[in-house]
This record gives sequence, structure tokens and C-alpha cells, in this order.
Amino acid sequence: NAGVMQNPRHLVRRRGQEARLRCSPMKGHSHVYWYRQLPEEGLKFMVYLQKENIIDESGMPKERFSAEFPKEGPSILRIQQVVRGDSAAYFCASSPTPGRGLTDTQYFGPGTRLTVL
Amino acid sequence: AQSVTQLGSHVSVSEGALVLLRCNYSSSVPPYLFWYVQYPNQGLQLLLKYTSAATLVKGINGFEAEFKKSETSFHLTKPSAHMSDAAEYFCAVRPMNTGFQKLVFGTGTRLLVSP
Repeated sequence: NAGVMQNPRHLVRRRGQEARLRCSPMKGHSHVYWYRQLPEEGLKFMVYLQKENIIDESGMPKERFSAEFPKEGPSILRIQQVVRGDSAAYFCASSPTPGRGLTDTQYFGPGTRLTVL
Repeated sequence: AQSVTQLGSHVSVSEGALVLLRCNYSSSVPPYLFWYVQYPNQGLQLLLKYTSAATLVKGINGFEAEFKKSETSFHLTKPSAHMSDAAEYFCAVRPMNTGFQKLVFGTGTRLLVSP
């Protein structure tokens, strides 16, 4: 049973370019979460999605960042016009369909390390 | 709102010594609590989780943590450190019995193990 897959593992972009990060959840998981880890910091929640729906985007920057989880294919975190401050590790996690009060564990992928030159 | 405080950004122990990593939480509702480990350039691996079934939780690799409501703590321990335990450890909280799924992480504690 493959775990959460993320690609690319490393991504280098110049300022002003676009970055696309992909996440394939574990088999049987229909919910995806994106977190960002800045150097020497903990992970910060960005967005929570299920297939074709954004459930919670309270951690997403208001501009340049977007996320989707289409019916078919991986979840995509898109960063437009990247700036140096976007350099970070971006982690995706997935869980089975959660419900109120359930304790579904989030399983993390290996992350994509974005470097903006 | 939920928050997590991990005291000590770095903890150094000798191989074979007790490991104690501290985590205190703040939550307006009963929490679920988690410890994750991150090895260099890798993702996070779940060590253990508290879900209200038992206050003493045993995890993988010999780690365990005890939920103490009176102290709002969920410290991680291991009786005898191994070199392979050197990694970054994150405590995280999520509110129980709500629809909020996002994890709130502490800033992490780097465990250093010397021979």
C-alpha cells in the first residue's frame, strides 16, 4: 500500500515564475491537507480539501496561492509569481473520510522543497 | 483556539539515557494530541496519538506519552535513547468532537543523541 506521494521532491523557481506541487493521497483516502514548513519552524496548516471541494482554506495566503483536488488525479497546490519568502517545504497529508469526533490520522508525504532564487 | 508549546528547541541525550520531550497544549475543547517524528529531508511519521481512550499512550519505536489534563501536558518519553532516534519531533493538537480537521503543530524539538 503506497503512502502519500508528492512530486517533485525538489523544485527550483526564479522569482515571478509559477510553482505547481502535486500530491497523490493514500489509496482509499479522499481528504487532503497541505501544510507549509518554513526553515526552523513547525508546520503551518494551509488548506483542507476533499474531492472537488475546498473545506477549509483559512491558512492560505490571500493572493497567489490556490489549491484544488479534482475528481480525477492528484491534488495541486499552485503558487503564482513566486517570491523568495515562498521558499519552504510543502507537505501534503491525507486521511480517510473524517467525521465529527473521529480520530482519523493524517498521513504525511515526503514533502516538496521549494527554493525560489 | 488551539496551540502547542514545545519547550526546548534542542534536547541532547547520551545513548541509553532517558528521553523526555515536553509538550503543553492549550485548547478550549477536549483535544486529540499527536506526536510526529521527522527525519532529515523526509516527511512526518506518526509516533503515537491520544484519542481519550487511555491517558498513557504507547507508540512505535519504544516511545510513549502521557496525557495529563491537570497539567495540560502530553510529554513524550523513551526509557533508553538509541542513535537512530536523532530527529525532529513535533507535537500537534486537533480539537475533539468538531468538524475542524487541521492540525496545529508546535515548533518542534530536535533530539540529538551522542554515543
